[in-house]
Amino acid sequence: QVQLQESGPGLVKPSETLSLTCTVSGGSISTDYWSWIRHPPGKGLEWIGYIYYGGSANYNPSLKSRLTMSVDTSRKQFSLKLTSVTAADTAVYFCAKYSSSSSFNLWGQGTLVTVSS
Amino acid sequence: DIQMTQSPSTLSASVGDRVTITCRASQSISSWLAWYQQKPGKAPNLLIYKASSLESGVPSRFSGSGSGTEFTLTISSLQPDDFATYYCQQYNSSPLTFGGGTKVEIK
Repeated sequence: QVQLQESGPGLVKPSETLSLTCTVSGGSISTDYWSWIRHPPGKGLEWIGYIYYGGSANYNPSLKSRLTMSVDTSRKQFSLKLTSVTAADTAVYFCAKYSSSSSFNLWGQGTLVTVSS
Repeated sequence: DIQMTQSPSTLSASVGDRVTITCRASQSISSWLAWYQQKPGKAPNLLIYKASSLESGVPSRFSGSGSGTEFTLTISSLQPDDFATYYCQQYNSSPLTFGGGTKVEIK
């Protein structure tokens, strides 16, 4: 069965770039959309964006100016880069598989990213 | 952006109770609504999609209804494993947005 696993630094300094990768195992990445969602401590879930395996992406306008998503089908990975981070970007970041029919139907376990000097 | 409002924010219930959670959208989202269950330290888990379709593997005590702007998630007989936080989420239009969550606690 398909599984997702996030990886990346757990601590990022303010004003630097947050970079995360999600690896897809047990199935193909060349289907549906691949998404990032975050959960700041004490707050609700926030959709970051999604990318199709072909490379087209849709970002949350609130993050669009700082956000880049990419996909590497040969490695079965998709990635997130968020620039100029602040403490407000501290959150558990989840990768997820998105379908236009059933929404987020598969999630990674999540990774905590703390923005602090 | 479409705002999703859940009520109540916290719900105290006992095992065996029938539980209903409401989600309201700030504009019509047709039936493009999903419900998730999240337990502490875990990822959300899809329960219901397209307002009323039960995700594979999810117990039949969970059901969803509604369309347009008003939706409900019902747990017909609350089980010990059901104490968790529940979120609704619209996928009718971008940006995709979530409700604030409903925490179901033990009474």
